[in-house]
Amino acid sequence: GENVEQHPSTLSVQEGDSAVIKCTYSDSASNYFPWYKQELGKGPQLIIDIRSNVGEKKDQRIAVTLNKTAKHFSLHITETQPEDSAVYFCAAQAGTALIFGKGTTLSVSS
Amino acid sequence: DAGVIQSPRHEVTEMGQEVTLRCKPISGHDYLFWYRQTMMRGLELLIYFNNNVPIDDSGMPEDRFSAKMPNASFSNLKIQPSEPRDSAVYFCASKGSGANVLTFGAGSRLTVL
Repeated sequence: GENVEQHPSTLSVQEGDSAVIKCTYSDSASNYFPWYKQELGKGPQLIIDIRSNVGEKKDQRIAVTLNKTAKHFSLHITETQPEDSAVYFCAAQAGTALIFGKGTTLSVSS
Repeated sequence: DAGVIQSPRHEVTEMGQEVTLRCKPISGHDYLFWYRQTMMRGLELLIYFNNNVPIDDSGMPEDRFSAKMPNASFSNLKIQPSEPRDSAVYFCASKGSGANVLTFGAGSRLTVL
């Protein structure tokens, strides 16, 4: 089955800096790659996603890139703000279920 | 819509007791998923249902865990007997057919003493 590895597990940045989180997946049949943000005491929420026929997607300060050949994808957050502090999960889908990475705890200090 | 509703939000129990976690998916969503979150293992898929039928339960850790979906509006996850290593946050999520986006509930934090 699918296996998703996510790095780093923790990331600390200064407000205004960029943050990058990287994931790799194992199943070449996976074709959908979302990113979820989990704030304290809440369930994860989708922030951006990318499909296998697209190499990059942007939404304001957030961008995702996908390299299908290398089976890795990344989340880029520019101009980080304190409210970006949260746990971020990448996921891959081959079939119906999403398989998640272990998460990255992002801390943005002002 | 009120979103995915989970109860209880917090449960503290003693080892050996039965635990029941409940979930009400978003109306019209025909897929329901149960995930478990721990620091060590992250978000693990336990089981998912389509149209109330269990499709894949390969993530259920052992026979002490069971899940049912008696109708489109309700699912429960039972642990009997519970053990301290079952302590985690359990999430329920739902989605509609043809959609990729999962909507998660707020989670049920289980502590087994």
